[in-house]
Amino acid sequence: EAQVTQNPRYLITVTGKKLTVTCSQNMNHEYMSWYRQDPGLGLRQIYYSMNVEVTDKGDVPEGYKVSRKEKRNFPLILESPSPNQTSLYFCASWPSFGDTEAFFGQGTRLTVV
Amino acid sequence: EDQVTQSPEALRLQEGESSSLNCSYTVSGLRGLFWYRQDPGKGPEFLFTLYSAGEEKEKERLKATLTKKESFLHITAPKPEDSATYLCAVQYYGQNFVFGPGTRLSVLP
Repeated sequence: EAQVTQNPRYLITVTGKKLTVTCSQNMNHEYMSWYRQDPGLGLRQIYYSMNVEVTDKGDVPEGYKVSRKEKRNFPLILESPSPNQTSLYFCASWPSFGDTEAFFGQGTRLTVV
Repeated sequence: EDQVTQSPEALRLQEGESSSLNCSYTVSGLRGLFWYRQDPGKGPEFLFTLYSAGEEKEKERLKATLTKKESFLHITAPKPEDSATYLCAVQYYGQNFVFGPGTRLSVLP
C-alpha cells in the first residue's frame, strides 16, 4: 500500500531535549516536505527536499533541521525544542516538484513542556 | 505577500442543505489550486486540482470551481460523513504550496 509513515504519532518532551520525528515513503517520490499545523494558521511549510541531498527552507524553518540521505526518508530534527514548537506536524511527498497530488502522513502531535 | 484565505471559518449544515466554501488568493503566476479534505487526527487527503479560470471538477457531492481570484467548493445535499475540515492550497510557478487555514464543516443528521 502506498503510504507516508510518520513516527511517533504522539510525543511529549521537555524543553531542550533533542528529538527526531521520522518520515518514510514507499512510493519512490522525489519531493518531500514537512509542515506544521496550528489552529487558525493552516499548514505552514518548515523544510522541503527536491531529491536526495537537496533540501531548502520553507516558511518557518527556525528551530528545525532536516536531512535527506535516502530517497525514502526525510527526518525532522528539533535540536533544542521549545514550547512554541508544540504543534501538529505532517510529512508529505509528491512524485516530483510540481506534481499536484500530495500524500500526507498521519501526523505527529508534539507537546514541548 | 502571497496569501490564501478561506471562508467561512466554520460551517454547520443540516443533512441535505447545500452550501459553498470559499477560497480566495492574492497571487500572480498561479500554477494550480488544490482542495484537500482533512478528518480529525489525520493527514489531508487530496480532492481536486484546478488549473485555469472556468475549470470545474466534480466528485460525488462535491464540485470545485475556479475564477481568477477565488475558488468555490460546492457541497450538494451533504451527508454527515462529509463533516471534515476542507483545505485549499495554491501553488505558484516555481514555488511551493501555500495552504489556507481551512473551513471546518459539520453536517448534522
